[in-house]
Amino acid sequence: EDQVTQSPEALRLQEGESSSLNCSYTVSGLRGLFWYRQDPGKGPEFLFTLYSAGEEKEKERLKATLTKKESFLHITAPKPEDSATYLCAVQALGSNYKLTFGKGTLLTVNP
Amino acid sequence: DVKVTQSSRYLVKRTGEKVFLECVQDMDHENMFWYRQDPGLGLRLIYFSYDVKMKEKGDIPEGYSVSREKKERFSLILESASTNQTSMYLCASSAGAGYGYTFGSGTRLTVV
Repeated sequence: EDQVTQSPEALRLQEGESSSLNCSYTVSGLRGLFWYRQDPGKGPEFLFTLYSAGEEKEKERLKATLTKKESFLHITAPKPEDSATYLCAVQALGSNYKLTFGKGTLLTVNP
Repeated sequence: DVKVTQSSRYLVKRTGEKVFLECVQDMDHENMFWYRQDPGLGLRLIYFSYDVKMKEKGDIPEGYSVSREKKERFSLILESASTNQTSMYLCASSAGAGYGYTFGSGTRLTVV
């Protein structure tokens, strides 16, 4: 069974204080790993897809990396508007396109 | 701008009612999904569909059914709503294997 574990569950940062969110996964064969951002009361918004170990993707203050067992979402010099829940999901080979999600990390950035 | 549209943002229904949640996508995607999201439990897959009139059970299908009569529309049906079905319901669509989902804005359903 595919499993995704995100840590920490919640993270408070001061504006400008860089940090990383972790996503550990267990999957029989990885087709892709996905990061989403979710604001309160809204649907998740797509951020990145990573397909193979060593791959990196960047968008503004966010950078996602992938190893064979985990992914990190690095947040550089965060701003209050980066506050959200960040979700990680995996898609396994032969999964009929299903994504398995972690429970998310709630990020709060204080001004 | 591509979209997944869920017909209602908020719904309040009574126990025992039959409830329909509608989802429409304009991206010509083959695959559509229904998830529910609860605090502490994350997103859990209820049903998905990879073609018109095709459906497969997800991880928690009990108490739910789905309908996909047209490619762009995927409906979730609560046959007899119960209070434990109070949740945020999220619809999503996908272009296929290796692609992520595009989510709708969600329907917050309260069953009283």
